[in-house]
Amino acid sequence: DADVTQTPRNRITKTGKRIMLECSQTKGHDRMYWYRQDPGLGLQLIYYSFDVKDINKGEISDGYSVSRQAQAKFSLSLESAIPNQTALYFCATAPGSTDTQYFGPGTRLTVL
Amino acid sequence: GENVEQHPSTLSVQEGDSAVIKCTYSDSASNYFPWYKQELGKRPQLIIDIRSNVGEKKDQRIAVTLNKTAKHFSLHITETQPEDSAVYFCAAGLSGGYNKLIFGAGTRLAVHP
Repeated sequence: DADVTQTPRNRITKTGKRIMLECSQTKGHDRMYWYRQDPGLGLQLIYYSFDVKDINKGEISDGYSVSRQAQAKFSLSLESAIPNQTALYFCATAPGSTDTQYFGPGTRLTVL
Repeated sequence: GENVEQHPSTLSVQEGDSAVIKCTYSDSASNYFPWYKQELGKRPQLIIDIRSNVGEKKDQRIAVTLNKTAKHFSLHITETQPEDSAVYFCAAGLSGGYNKLIFGAGTRLAVHP
């Protein structure tokens, strides 16, 4: 679904570095989400936002922060990356009219 | 908060057989239960969902059942095909404007020709 894009698609970084993952959408959806996927652990919710002025912590927010710069943009930051943050990160969006979440293509992050 | 458990973690079937994946949830307030399919290297995509005001929903070869009393729901795939091979995730949450989903750990389904 090209309407939800994530940059970068792959990133290798070192312990202690600050990293920002970006999500953009052209769907006009108010709700945006960040998930982390680890093998065998499913999709874990990191942060979510129901509109530009609304930010909420998810299940695993420690070590992460987010910024909702506009309706269309939702960024995830790792202030000081650590190896156990190595994972596949997905952004998702949802309209106010339905419950369906639309996922971006994912960002594979490796922290050495 | 909500907790979702999903079983089995892996499932192997022969083409044409049926596959059943089961999930339980903990929060009785949850009223929305979607299932997502993730093919290898791809993003998760919604395949079917059910709300707590119905007990069963079908869409061609897939169906979902919900038992609110027992707090469990299941995905049923009939006449499986190799293209059904993927990881399937269940989730639970609240329907409406404040939709937050908690996902199960996933089931890797392999359909062998």
